[in-house]
Amino acid sequence: GEDVEQSLFLSVREGDSSVINCTYTDSSSTYLYWYKQEPGAGLQLLTYIFSNMDMKQDQRLTVLLNKKDKHLSLRIADTQTGDSAIYFCAERRGGTASKLTFGTGTRLQVTL
Amino acid sequence: GAVVSQHPSWVICKSGTSVKIECRSLDFQATTMFWYRQFPKQSLMLMATSNEGSKATYEQGVEKDKFLINHASLTLSTLTVTSAHPEDSSFYICSARDQGVDTEAFFGQGTRLTVV
Repeated sequence: GEDVEQSLFLSVREGDSSVINCTYTDSSSTYLYWYKQEPGAGLQLLTYIFSNMDMKQDQRLTVLLNKKDKHLSLRIADTQTGDSAIYFCAERRGGTASKLTFGTGTRLQVTL
Repeated sequence: GAVVSQHPSWVICKSGTSVKIECRSLDFQATTMFWYRQFPKQSLMLMATSNEGSKATYEQGVEKDKFLINHASLTLSTLTVTSAHPEDSSFYICSARDQGVDTEAFFGQGTRLTVV
């Protein structure tokens, strides 16, 4: 199957860490991505990880990949109000022309 | 990161008319571009994969005669919604993959289509 699942909503306080989770079903995924979408806008690529890695860190963002459990997470350290948005994970299985399969999206709300 | 420009950002058209949406990669060449549709509070649904110089590959259930895709150059793909109806109202987003980098796909800012 091609299901990519995420929890719908996450609320955190400003300054705390946020962890957004994603599960997928296809073990042949080659790349996994995290995108951010603000209201009425397109998608902004935040980070991606190759399937033979288990962790990638980029400033406030940490991606963890558990390939055995087909579980991907995005941790945002020191979450700010500007991080409020919808976050999509996506997987890709093949070469240059291969498509992305997106998760259902997680709405992150950051409160003061 | 690389820039993908989508135009127009929003359009309102009358039922029965056709609307063309452009997707341009501004600082890289893209042999492959993707067109998505997004309904409110939902994820992105891939409509078709656009390949430069060849016919687009449509996903199951997407009418190719309704949604015409042309990828005439390495920096431009267009989506034409023909004979638009209110049910075609949606947010359309394109993405382009840098053929030199390959790992990443960059998205346009989206086009909000409203058919009245």
